[in-house]
Amino acid sequence: SQQGEEDPQALSIQEGENATMNCSYKTSINNLQWYRQNSGRGLVHLILIRSNEREKHSGRLRVTLDTSKKSSSLLITASRAADTASYFCATDEGTYKYIFGTGTRLKVLA
Amino acid sequence: DAGVTQSPTHLIKTRGQQVTLRCSPKSGHDTVSWYQQALGQGPQFIFQYYEEEERQRGNFPDRFSGHQFPNYSSELNVNALLLGDSALYLCASSSTGPGTYEKLFFGSGTQLSVL
Repeated sequence: SQQGEEDPQALSIQEGENATMNCSYKTSINNLQWYRQNSGRGLVHLILIRSNEREKHSGRLRVTLDTSKKSSSLLITASRAADTASYFCATDEGTYKYIFGTGTRLKVLA
Repeated sequence: DAGVTQSPTHLIKTRGQQVTLRCSPKSGHDTVSWYQQALGQGPQFIFQYYEEEERQRGNFPDRFSGHQFPNYSSELNVNALLLGDSALYLCASSSTGPGTYEKLFFGSGTQLSVL
């Protein structure tokens, strides 16, 4: 079963614009992570935010977490064609088990 | 430093057959998790191996089994293949060191097609 649900399912923007995608989850978590997947291959870890954090930055990425609403958002600023990929949130279910959402497919047009 | 390696990259099997997929974790990692990703879906957790034992398991039937070797590499076995087993199988490794276990490193996956 999926723990997280990403929204929107698909997003198409122009290069240079910002991209925002959202994740909602169902149960209490210790942390939430975002991953990127290019062309259906392996996933790459982007950023981790802990349950006691509200916002975190890494380069052009900004992640927010609202545990009261059980939701998170990922903002990619000044997007590039190379950011075209699928983005997944992952939440911990138990100490060592991570559950992935359904993903947002981002397409950045040059 | 080699990352997570999986073999084979592609595999075609027929219904009822058995398949074994292999994974070598990133250097220094001792934990291996397996995920199944159907087309257009997110990865689904199959199970996780640590210290050569299955530590956690997702909602998958007993046809799915695994093994971890003393060198931390792992195998995923699927028996009596069904058409619905067609998917990308991903291996992810992690370390149990403090503050490090949460981050997963993924291999490129094995694309399994069941005909």
